[in-house]
Amino acid sequence: QITLKESGPTLVKPTQTLTLTCTFSGFSLSTSGVGVGWIRQPPGKALEWLALIYWDDDKRYSPSLKSRLTITKDTSKNQVVLTMTNMDPVDTATYYCAHRTTHMEGSAFDIWGQGTMVTVSS
Amino acid sequence: DIQMTQSPSSLSASVGDRVTITCRASQSISSYLNWYQQKPGKAPKLLIYAASSLQSGVPSRFSGSGSGTDFTLTISSLQPEDFATYYCQQSYSSYTFGQGTKLEIK
Repeated sequence: QITLKESGPTLVKPTQTLTLTCTFSGFSLSTSGVGVGWIRQPPGKALEWLALIYWDDDKRYSPSLKSRLTITKDTSKNQVVLTMTNMDPVDTATYYCAHRTTHMEGSAFDIWGQGTMVTVSS
Repeated sequence: DIQMTQSPSSLSASVGDRVTITCRASQSISSYLNWYQQKPGKAPKLLIYAASSLQSGVPSRFSGSGSGTDFTLTISSLQPEDFATYYCQQSYSSYTFGQGTKLEIK
């Protein structure tokens, strides 16, 4: 059974750096084809994909946020870490991590964490 | 960037109704299209992948179709638990979600 859980601060100040950790079980991020992604959702708004890391340490970022994001993995700890610099109140959102599954026609996020709410305020 | 546009943004329907939600991509994405359901306060749930493949455990009243730029999600007979927000997502080039369609009880 695959599970993921996000952890990190609930409140950050503007201009600070946010660090979120996704701790997962039920799969290995060293297995070919596996990936873990981060997605966020501001209150009352749509989902926004942020970043993805693959089993081979390849990384993909949202073009609009690429300069502010870094995604890393610690395979031995079954964790994926997302950092976002220069936080702003518009970054207030629930942040999700999710397991990426692949198939013949693309890929999808089939298992999601419960999400963690992050508020950016002074 | 590939943009995804859903219509309608909101929809009112009754239990037992047949409902269709549309998603349009700004360029061809073949069948690299997924559908998710999200209920308030919960994480999204994958319903359909590769435009028309039903995710394991999802009721057969949900179906997806389309390819290229135009896609549809159909619920054949609405059940009370289906009232939620639905998102399409492309995986052709990185990932992009649509803006969502909120399905409400009439």
